[in-house]
Amino acid sequence: QKEVEQDPGPLSVPEGAIVSLNCTYSNSAFQYFMWYRQYSRKGPELLMYTYSSGNKEDGRFTAQVDKSSKYISLFIRDSQPSDSATYLCAMTRSGNTPLVFGKGTRLSVIA
Amino acid sequence: DGGITQSPKYLFRKEGQNVTLSCEQNLNHDAMYWYRQDPGQGLRLIYYSQIVNDFQKGDIAEGYSVSREKKESFPLTVTSAQKNPTAFYLCASSTSTVNQPQHFGDGTRLSIL
Repeated sequence: QKEVEQDPGPLSVPEGAIVSLNCTYSNSAFQYFMWYRQYSRKGPELLMYTYSSGNKEDGRFTAQVDKSSKYISLFIRDSQPSDSATYLCAMTRSGNTPLVFGKGTRLSVIA
Repeated sequence: DGGITQSPKYLFRKEGQNVTLSCEQNLNHDAMYWYRQDPGQGLRLIYYSQIVNDFQKGDIAEGYSVSREKKESFPLTVTSAQKNPTAFYLCASSTSTVNQPQHFGDGTRLSIL
C-alpha cells in the first residue's frame, strides 16, 4: 500500500461548483498536511498548511483533516476557470523527515 | 521579491553527457530539495540538504549528484549514469526540514536529444 493515495482524475466541473479533492494515507504518524496547486509547466504553490485534525479556511478554500480515518480533503467553493490546475496533497510526521506527496489530481473548471 | 529561481527553463542533453541544473533562492532558507516529476508519478525526491556542505539522498538519487557550497545555491547534476533523465525537475526550499512547507521554483524540463 502506498503511503499517500490520491485520485489522479481528471475531474471536470462547471464554473461555480463546489469541488472536493481528497487524499488517504496509511502512516498514522503524519501530523502536518499541505495542499499545493500546480499550473501547467509551473512549480507547485502552497495553498493550505494544517497541523493535526480539524478544518482550516482561507477564502474559497477549506482544508479538512480526519486523522481517525487517515483522510484529508480540500474544498473549493464557487470554483473558477482559474482554479483549473493539478492539486497535490503532501504530509509529514513530526521531526526531520521529508514531505510525502500524493500524485496529484487534475481539475478542470469549465466556464 | 523573494523566491526560487531555476535555470534554464528547458535543457537538452546528448547521450553520455552530464548536465547541471541551477537552483538559487533568496528566501534565506536553510533547507533545499530536488524533485523529479514524471507524468502520473507525482513528485519523487532526489536529494535534499539541511545545511551548507551537507546533503542526503532521497528516494531516487542514483545517476544524480548535488553540492551545497552556499546557502543560496543547490545545483543538481544529471550524470550519464541516469538512463532515463527526461523529466520535469523541481527545486524547493524551506526554513528547515522539520515540519515546514516547501516553496518551489518553476522547474527545468530536461529532454534527451
